[in-house]
Order: sequence, then C-alpha cells, then structure tokens
Amino acid sequence: GQQVMQIPQYQHVQEGEDFTTYCNSSTTLSNIQWYKQRPGGHPVFLIQLVKSGEVKKQKRLTFQFGEAKKNSSLHITATQTTDVGTYFCAGDRSGNTGKLIFGQGTTLQVKP
Amino acid sequence: GAGVSQSPRYKVAKRGQDVALRCDPISGHVSLFWYQQALGQGPEFLTYFQNEAQLDKSGLPSDRFFAERPEGSVSTLKIQRTQQEDSAVYLCASSLGPGDSDTQYFGPGTRLTVL
Repeated sequence: GQQVMQIPQYQHVQEGEDFTTYCNSSTTLSNIQWYKQRPGGHPVFLIQLVKSGEVKKQKRLTFQFGEAKKNSSLHITATQTTDVGTYFCAGDRSGNTGKLIFGQGTTLQVKP
Repeated sequence: GAGVSQSPRYKVAKRGQDVALRCDPISGHVSLFWYQQALGQGPEFLTYFQNEAQLDKSGLPSDRFFAERPEGSVSTLKIQRTQQEDSAVYLCASSLGPGDSDTQYFGPGTRLTVL
C-alpha cells in the first residue's frame, strides 16, 4: 500500500485564494517530486527537491522539502482556474532507481 | 522529438482474456517504468527497466502480469487471464538515465476496462 500520505484529498477555493497541499512519508526519502495531473490527463512533472530544507519557487508555486526529508509541501499563491487538477507528490526511497512512491493526490477545484 | 506514447489508449476486455499494452519511450531514454493508476488514486509502481534489463518487478500484483523490453526501447506489459480488479489506467514513464536524478516523462496511459 501507499507509504506517502497527502492531505487534503480535495480542496475547493475561490479564484485568487491560496492553496497548500502537504505530503508525509513514513520513511526518509532521497528526493521528492511533484506532478500535476489534469482531468483525463497524465502526470506532468513539476519539480524535484533533493536537499534537506530545500525551497524552490516556480512563479506562483512554492515547494518545500522538510529538514528530515520526510515531508514536503506545495503552496500556490493567488490560484487561477488554470491551476485546476490533481497534485501528486512522489518520493524516491531507493536513491538509485527512480522508483517513485506516489501519494494519493490533492484535487484542486478553483471557482471563478 | 515526440514524447512517450502508449497504445492502445483504451482497451475493453472480457474477464479471462489476455491483453498486451505497448509503450514507446522517448528515444534514447535508458529507464522505463510501468505504473498502475486506479480511479481516484495515485499511480502505483509496477516494474522498472534499465535498457533491456528488468531491475525491479516488485510492484507486479501477480504472476498474471508480465513485462518485457527486449531491445531496450519499446516495452510491452502483458496481463493474462484478466480480472475485474485489473481495471485501471496503466501508465508508462521514461527517463534519460539510470538512477533517481532524471525527470520521468509519462505517456497518456492505457485505460483498461475488464468486464
């Protein structure tokens, strides 16, 4: 079963509001990746975090990797309708194969 | 060049039938992964190839599932004697090199429905 937990499962926001999804692993990860999946689509890579405490930004998206490399978060500032989709975190425990353990995802709905 | 492609995009099978799902990775990509995604869930790892070598098949649910990549490029996931619980989207992903440092590029998936 899944060993990477994500919360919340669903989030409905008004356009312009902020959004955060949290990811927690039961074990230390070598790295964590974030993907976005639009309805009916396939996962699209957003970013990879490798270092303890790492923070990366992509325009309105801010990604953090925890100090213990067991948790991560994605924060979207001032959501837009184009942000709609399911956001997955995926951890790599092995450190050498790229085998990813995905969280259950957080589905974001944005009301215009 | 082109991204990862998968065929067929949709497959309906009667319970007990065998199916074969094809993945064409990005040209030159060493690593190839298969994932199974049930409705409303995240993708779950099935198996991993580095070139033609299947290095990890720990995620295959049963011995009815078999994957191959004989020439280190195209891969086929075969499911024998399909069951209703096999209904899911099967995703293929490839990455440039071995190891965990490379982005995985996903194909559009094959949606399998077993009746």
